[in-house]
Formats: sequence, C-alpha cells, structure tokens
Amino acid sequence: EVQLVESGGGLVQPGGSLRLSCAASGFTFNNYWMLWVRQAPGKGLVWVSLINPDGTTTYYADSLKGRFTISRDNAKNTLYLQMNSLTGEDTALYYCAKDLHYGSSDDWGQGTLVTVSS
Amino acid sequence: QSALTQPPSASGSPGQSVTISCTGTSSDVGAYDYVSWYQQHPGRAPKLMIYDVTKRPSGVPDRFSGSKSGNTASLTVSGLQAEDEADYYCSSYGGRNNFVLFGGGTKLTVL
Repeated sequence: EVQLVESGGGLVQPGGSLRLSCAASGFTFNNYWMLWVRQAPGKGLVWVSLINPDGTTTYYADSLKGRFTISRDNAKNTLYLQMNSLTGEDTALYYCAKDLHYGSSDDWGQGTLVTVSS
Repeated sequence: QSALTQPPSASGSPGQSVTISCTGTSSDVGAYDYVSWYQQHPGRAPKLMIYDVTKRPSGVPDRFSGSKSGNTASLTVSGLQAEDEADYYCSSYGGRNNFVLFGGGTKLTVL
C-alpha cells in the first residue's frame, strides 16, 4: 500500500523559512516523479513543484520560483520542500503526491499545515 | 484566478447525470490529452478519478467518465449517489513552463 506522510508544517513568522518532508513507502520511490500541491484554507488546489526520479530536473509554479526548492533523498525515500521568505499567502495545507505521469497524481498524503503569521 | 475555468457549483438529484466543464487554452487542455479529474471530500486528500482525459484508475466506478473537445474537458457523473457530493478539480499538463494547471474547483451537490 502506498503511503505518503508529510511533516514539518507549523506556525512561522512572515519572512521565515520552513522545510517540509514527505516520507514515502509502499512503492519504489526512486522510479517516480513527485509533486507538492498546496491548498489554502477554503480554497482550491494549486500546484507548487515537481521533481524527477533522480532529482536532477525540477519544475516550479511561476509565482514561487526563487523562494521554494524541491529536493529528494532516494536513500531515505523522502521528498522535501524548502520554503523561504514566507508570506501570509503561503498559508496552506501542503500535500505531497506521487506522479502517474504529466502531473496526474494517483496517490496523495494527508497534508501538513503551514501557517504564516506574526 | 485559476488557470483552468470550472463552474463554482453543480447539482443533480440521485440517479441523474451531471457534467462539469473545465476550460483551458490551446496551450494546455487543447494541446495535450493529459487532463485529470480529482474528487475531494471535506477534510480529505484529493482522489484521482480520471486521467488522460478518459481513463479511470482501478477502483473508480464507471459512473465517472471524462471527455474533451477543443480547449474544454468535461467530467460526467452518471447515476448520482449521495457519496458523490464533493468538490471536483480538473488539472492539465501545461507544458514545461506551466507543468501542472488546476481548475478552481466545482462543488457538486446531490439534491
């Protein structure tokens, strides 16, 4: 059974940084592209970032380029999202997801909540 | 403003069919057959219902079907059931500059 478990969310002040983690199990992690998707409270899904199986190719939503960095450690079966210069607009539930192909995600974690507030 | 346009709400009675649209552009929905649909119940993670415009993952009832015409994709739910009441999101591959685009979501109400 595929399991994706996000962690690292919490309350952070504006301008601060946070690193999210996503522990994967139940599938061969280093064979799959992985994504981060976020959802602000009461709002819709927004794609954040995507990384290829060996971590050498990454894509980001235009609005986030330069502040967020996706990475992975295939030895630890873990996906990461480093988030810098956070603002209130980054407040959201952050999901990690396994990519089926071309951004279609067939398995999702339960999300980790990031709240940016002073 | 979301990249793909969905109606904010849709509704139908049990047993009826309802169709939700998802309009993009010739650079995303119209250019690729990589449209997906997700179902999300309150407090739950999204669930993939349709991918590659028309394909259903294992375990998804065949009451759910997808189609596309030009820049608009559609999700049809036939034989509506109470448990179909949820938010539905479309997404599309948008090329290397906008890899994944989501719609704003449609709240489906079963009357």
